[in-house]
Amino acid sequence: NAGVTQTPKFRVLKTGQSMTLLCAQDMNHEYMYWYRQDPGMGLRLIHYSVGEGTTAKGEVPDGYNVSRLKKQNFLLGLESAAPSQTSVYFCASSYIGTGGETQYFGPGTRLLVL
Amino acid sequence: GENVEQHPSTLSVQEGDSAVIKCTYSDSASNYFPWYKQELGKRPQLIIDIRSNVGEKKDQRIAVTLNKTAKHFSLHITETQPEDSAVYFCAASIEYKLSFGAGTTVTVRA
Repeated sequence: NAGVTQTPKFRVLKTGQSMTLLCAQDMNHEYMYWYRQDPGMGLRLIHYSVGEGTTAKGEVPDGYNVSRLKKQNFLLGLESAAPSQTSVYFCASSYIGTGGETQYFGPGTRLLVL
Repeated sequence: GENVEQHPSTLSVQEGDSAVIKCTYSDSASNYFPWYKQELGKRPQLIIDIRSNVGEKKDQRIAVTLNKTAKHFSLHITETQPEDSAVYFCAASIEYKLSFGAGTTVTVRA
């Protein structure tokens, strides 16, 4: 049971390039989330999904797109990277029901946009 | 949306002393309040949580209190140890979505 995994661990992009971050979970969780973490600002929700085939905007969705084609995977895309998107990105998942509010985080992806 | 404020931003304590971190939230509909610990370069890890129908919860050296009327909750760490040094985040949940505080960097001095 690997829990929540993320690929890649680290990436350097040039301004304007695109990339996709992959999040996978093997806990059969319904809900999945993408956060970004910047110094002094805690974690901010980018997008989330309440089930396969669904996505919704979070607090800071601009410049990002997501897809949830399979229950166990949640992809975060940057179509045209900007230096302001330099951050650490965390994926998380949780289940529906009693105790399901607890979110389990992946190890993070460090992204540097030059 | 929900707004969570966390204080202090940094906290230095002598080993063996207690540490207290306080958070306030804005939306009375929030019903779940977790605390996460994050060590340098690692993922956030849940250390304790409390639901809106409970006023206090304790797990060994850590405890959390919740005052729904005042919309604030606190983390208490007793008998601090060097391994307690980390960044701590509070959060408030509405409909399975978490809003996080900005974090408190705790340093335990030997």
